[in-house]
Amino acid sequence: NAGVTQTPKFRVLKTGQSMTLLCAQDMNHEYMYWYRQDPGMGLRLIHYSVGEGTTAKGEVPDGYNVSRLKKQNFLLGLESAAPSQTSVYFCASSYQQSYEQYFGPGTRLTVT
Amino acid sequence: QQPVQSPQAVILREGEDAVINCSSSKALYSVHWYRQKHGEAPVFLMILLKGGEQKGHDKISASFNEKKQQSSLYLTASQLSYSGTYFCGTEYSGGTSYGKLTFGQGTILTVHP
Repeated sequence: NAGVTQTPKFRVLKTGQSMTLLCAQDMNHEYMYWYRQDPGMGLRLIHYSVGEGTTAKGEVPDGYNVSRLKKQNFLLGLESAAPSQTSVYFCASSYQQSYEQYFGPGTRLTVT
Repeated sequence: QQPVQSPQAVILREGEDAVINCSSSKALYSVHWYRQKHGEAPVFLMILLKGGEQKGHDKISASFNEKKQQSSLYLTASQLSYSGTYFCGTEYSGGTSYGKLTFGQGTILTVHP
């Protein structure tokens, strides 16, 4: 039982490049979330999903897209990376709303 | 709007107590508390639901004042392992939240021997 896993752990991109971050959970959770964490800002919600095939915007969705084709996976895409997207990205999942969110180990992304 | 945590930082000696507060300007359905150590993922501590009881386990407990839209986290007889950054995550009431959390900016807790 791995819980929530994220790949890759680290990545360096040049401005304008694209990439996809993968989040996988093996707990059969319905709800999945993508957050970014910047110094002094806490965690901010980018996008979320309440089930396979559904996605919705969070607090800071601009510049990101997501997909949830399989219940266990939640992908976060950056189509054209910008230095402002340099951050640590965390994925989380929960059984239902208002339940504990389990976080993945994070992906540290640097855009130069 | 982000909930406000206070204090921003606190330094303790082992065995001392601390209180961390989380205050919202919007009506809350629940408050989640997490602890994050440097370079690691946030780890769940507890959830307080509107109308629910005060929670606690071991020497960490929390309360939720629905009238004031505030929550407090109590750490008693602190241990070195309590060091880290504490975040409150708030879930707003009024409609379906889908579990979306708005996190405070964090409180850095340092425990010295």
